[in-house]
Parts: sequence; C-alpha cells; structure tokens
Amino acid sequence: GENVEQHPSTLSVQEGDSAVIKCTYSDSASNYFPWYKQELGKRPQLIIDIRSNVGEKKDQRIAVTLNKTAKHFSLHITETQPEDSAVYFCAGSAGGSYIPTFGRGTSLIVHP
Amino acid sequence: DAGVTQSPTHLIKTRGQQVTLRCSPKSGHDTVSWYQQALGQGPQFIFQYYEEEERQRGNFPDRFSGHQFPNYSSELNVNALLLGDSALYLCASSLVGRQNNEQFFGPGTRLTVL
Repeated sequence: GENVEQHPSTLSVQEGDSAVIKCTYSDSASNYFPWYKQELGKRPQLIIDIRSNVGEKKDQRIAVTLNKTAKHFSLHITETQPEDSAVYFCAGSAGGSYIPTFGRGTSLIVHP
Repeated sequence: DAGVTQSPTHLIKTRGQQVTLRCSPKSGHDTVSWYQQALGQGPQFIFQYYEEEERQRGNFPDRFSGHQFPNYSSELNVNALLLGDSALYLCASSLVGRQNNEQFFGPGTRLTVL
C-alpha cells in the first residue's frame, strides 16, 4: 500500500517568512495529493490539492508542487501569518477510490 | 447546508466494552469514510461505506465494524475495547464519481478507553 512520509514534524517561522513542508510517497499509482490544515481541537480541512497531471498549483499565498519522477510533493506558504499556525497533513491516494494515506503532520508555528 | 456531523463529541469507556459512534454526511454526499487519529498522528483509514456496503477497508481488526443506512448516515462500532483504541475518530463524507473525491471531515468523536 501507499506510504507517505512528511517532514519536518515541527516548523517555527516568523510572521512574513515563507514555510515549506515536504512529503514523499511510495506508490507510483498515486495520482491525487490533498493537503489538510487542522487547527487545535478542530477538524481537518482541505486547503489545496493537486493531481498527478499537474506540476504546480497556486491559491493566493499557498502553492503545491509535485515531482512525479521523484515522488515528492511540497506545500509552500508565503507571507505567513499567525493564523496559519496549525498542523498540516499531506496525503496521497491512488486509483478511483481516492482513499488518502496521510503523513504524520507538520506543526507550523508562526510567531508574531 | 449542513456539514458533516458526528455524535457523541466525547466518550469514556473501559476496556472490554463496546462503543458505537455516529456520523451524518454532508448534504448531497453518498459516501462515508471513517478514520482513527491518535494523538500527534495523521488520520488512519478504517473503512469506507457506499451504497450501504463496506467498499474498502484499511488495516484494522474485525473488532471495528460499521454500517451505512439508506439515508447515507453511518455508524462505527468497536468491540472489546483496548487502551490503544483511545483516539479521535473522524468521519468524512464525499460524493462518489467526483474527480477529486474531496473528503469533508466531521468534528470527530474523542474516545477515551480506561
């Protein structure tokens, strides 16, 4: 089955800096890669996703890149704000079922 | 438009007991997936229900079972509870056939096994 590795486990940045979270996956059949944000005590919420036929996708301050050959994908957050502080999960899924396998999460802390 | 709802919010059980958790999907969704999220971990897929049948299952023992009703709501049952079953149980709904099959998560049920 799919195995998704995520790093770093904790990321501390100053407000206004950029943050990058990296993930790798094992199953070459994976073709859908969502990113979820989970604030303390709240549900995971989809913030951006990318399919394997696309190399990069942007949504305002958030971007995701995908390197299918290397089986890497990354989340980039620019101009970080304190409200970006949360745990971010990457996931990969394959086939028609789109059942995501999640990474272990990155705790992002943005200091004012 | 109601999102995904789960009940109860919190639950405390003792080892060996049985528990039932409930989930109502987002309006218009027909598929329900259940996840277990241990503290400091990502959600782990338990199983998915579509058309009242278990469509896929993750690496969880038979003590974990489920059901989906005609109105698409779902239950997760766990028998013979172990201390290690303590976790946040998340339900996610989606619509089969959508290209991305985005999972919409509920707020979760926090299960504590003593």
